[in-house]
Amino acid sequence: QKEVEQNSGPLSVPEGAIASLNCTYSDRGSQSFFWYRQYSGKSPELIMFIYSNGDKEDGRFTAQLNKASQYVSLLIRDSQPSDSATYLCAVKKVTSGSRLTFGEGTQLTVNP
Amino acid sequence: IAGITQAPTSQILAAGRRMTLRCTQDMRHNAMYWYRQDLGLGLRLIHYSNTAGTTGKGEVPDGYSVSRANTDDFPLTLASAVPSQTSVYFCASASSASTDTQYFGPGTRLTVL
Repeated sequence: QKEVEQNSGPLSVPEGAIASLNCTYSDRGSQSFFWYRQYSGKSPELIMFIYSNGDKEDGRFTAQLNKASQYVSLLIRDSQPSDSATYLCAVKKVTSGSRLTFGEGTQLTVNP
Repeated sequence: IAGITQAPTSQILAAGRRMTLRCTQDMRHNAMYWYRQDLGLGLRLIHYSNTAGTTGKGEVPDGYSVSRANTDDFPLTLASAVPSQTSVYFCASASSASTDTQYFGPGTRLTVL
């Protein structure tokens, strides 16, 4: 079992819709959870992080964490074509210091 | 302009050759990381350094070495390149080992023939 799993996609949504990206993790000792966005040919950039169970909102983005079920999700409201990218889920474990473990990423396409 | 630079941008290398990928940051970040990114495998940590003078092994360290002589530079060396090391390599940094936000450099695309 992979430590961090994401559906590779591609996920396609129409402009203005809600895009839902999911991530599961295997280590219950995981403490911090991150979503990175990566445009084709570019480097990853952090868009959100979440530590506690529940929802965290930042503009059109909402991260949701459920530690009991070991999943974290990212919702993108009012999706725009500029949101088309690969979204990487990353997890930091208590035992790993500052090191992150990444999922494979989900490719999102927002169609105009 | 503050940030992370990597060099070269891309490189084609013959198998068996030695290669050093350079990474420099001017943000005075203590922690630095090297990742490789392969299709279907995502980002995998090669080596890391929590502070100057210290380094550690990540998930896929074999065939790679690093050094951290000062805060700004974190070079990654392939002693004898093999085709399986064909990948995109990203350097990242964070202000400290306890800080969660990692900033990534632009990447180096390496092809080993």
